[in-house]
Amino acid sequence: GQQVMQIPQYQHVQEGEDFTTYCNSSTTLSNIQWYKQRPGGHPVFLIQLVKSGEVKKQKRLTFQFGEAKKNSSLHITATQTTDVGTYFCAGEKSSNYQLIWGAGTKLIIKP
Amino acid sequence: DVKVTQSSRYLVKRTGEKVFLECVQDMDHENMFWYRQDPGLGLRLIYFSYDVKMKEKGDIPEGYSVSREKKERFSLILESASTNQTSMYLCASSSTYRGPEGNTEAFFGQGTRLTVV
Repeated sequence: GQQVMQIPQYQHVQEGEDFTTYCNSSTTLSNIQWYKQRPGGHPVFLIQLVKSGEVKKQKRLTFQFGEAKKNSSLHITATQTTDVGTYFCAGEKSSNYQLIWGAGTKLIIKP
Repeated sequence: DVKVTQSSRYLVKRTGEKVFLECVQDMDHENMFWYRQDPGLGLRLIYFSYDVKMKEKGDIPEGYSVSREKKERFSLILESASTNQTSMYLCASSSTYRGPEGNTEAFFGQGTRLTVV
């Protein structure tokens, strides 16, 4: 079936280092959404990308949607302790409103 | 503030019990979803509903059923709980129509951590 692969599963960084997570779909997506889940919390919506090649920024976070609308990335510049959590991508099928979720990338700040 | 409310935060049930997980949303959303979340596996869709009394199977419907008698409420039922159903269960809702920002994002409840013993 349709899948969204997300890598890496974990990323350990020193505070102040950058972080990137990548998602790749087996098929073309209508749009892709990004969510953040803090430890012990539930996923919270960050952003939605709809257009081919779209790039959006939220402060230190940069989101990209590939030209073929099959891949996406989230890049965080100069991580802070408040960035800790698991970041999920979720691709929306064009035929319905069902989201296909990546497995998530857990951002861990090294002490 | 928009809200999705799940009836219990933590639940412990015995093997073979019938378990009901309730979810209510106050946003008049058409779509509602039940996921389970396990470490390393992300969110897996159990069932979703796009309208009252309508339901569709997700990726892992076996051992579960759902009910949507009213638009705001979506119930997940474990017919006979088993230990491999121990998990975090997340309910979500979304609108069919794009919001003011053009988004169709999902809103999640706080989750129910179910332990089957």
